[in-house]
Amino acid sequence: EVQLVQSGAEVKKPGESLKISCKASGYTFTSYWIGWVRQMPGKGLEWVGIVYPGDSDTRYSPSFQGQVTISADKSISTAYLQWSSLKASDTAMYYCARRSLAATLNNYYYYYMDVWGKGTTVTVSS
Amino acid sequence: DIQMTQSPSSLSAAVGDRVTITCRASQSISTYLNWYQQKPGKAPKLLIYAASSLQSGVPSRFSGSGSGTDFTLTISSLQPEDFATYFCQQTYSTLLFTFGPGTKVDI
Repeated sequence: EVQLVQSGAEVKKPGESLKISCKASGYTFTSYWIGWVRQMPGKGLEWVGIVYPGDSDTRYSPSFQGQVTISADKSISTAYLQWSSLKASDTAMYYCARRSLAATLNNYYYYYMDVWGKGTTVTVSS
Repeated sequence: DIQMTQSPSSLSAAVGDRVTITCRASQSISTYLNWYQQKPGKAPKLLIYAASSLQSGVPSRFSGSGSGTDFTLTISSLQPEDFATYFCQQTYSTLLFTFGPGTKVDI
């Protein structure tokens, strides 16, 4: 079964560091990009960034560039999202998701997030 | 960046109703548009990709249409399990995907 298993809920203080994880199984981890999505309480979905575990190529949404670090360890099929200094505004649910693609006959590629983790709740409070 | 909007932000409907949700992109995105369903406390679930392709296992009452800047998600006959929030997502920017603000469907 293809699945992404995320690490458990975290409660941290402002200024602390944090690294949450997303472990993949059931497919070739190095062949698919893994994206991270933030959902603040009662709000919509925000694209954080994405990593390709095959070569660790990483891209960030401009809103999150410099605020978080995304990485992957292909030896243990795990992607990470980390903060060096948390803020109260980082309080949210964070999802990881696999990017898949569908190819058309004329070689166009359509991308979508087909497998999602259950999410990691991050609470930052003094 | 490509901005996505959705309308309405919420709607009330009854079981059996036909429901249509609209998504608009700030620039043309061809058919690089996905739809997701999210229930409270759960991760999003892919319904439609490439604007109109039904994801495997998704009931056929869900359908998508549109291209360019305007897209719709239609639920032909609303079922009790369809009460949820629906998000569109553009994937025209290959590695910088953005979501719409969501449409909540409730009774």
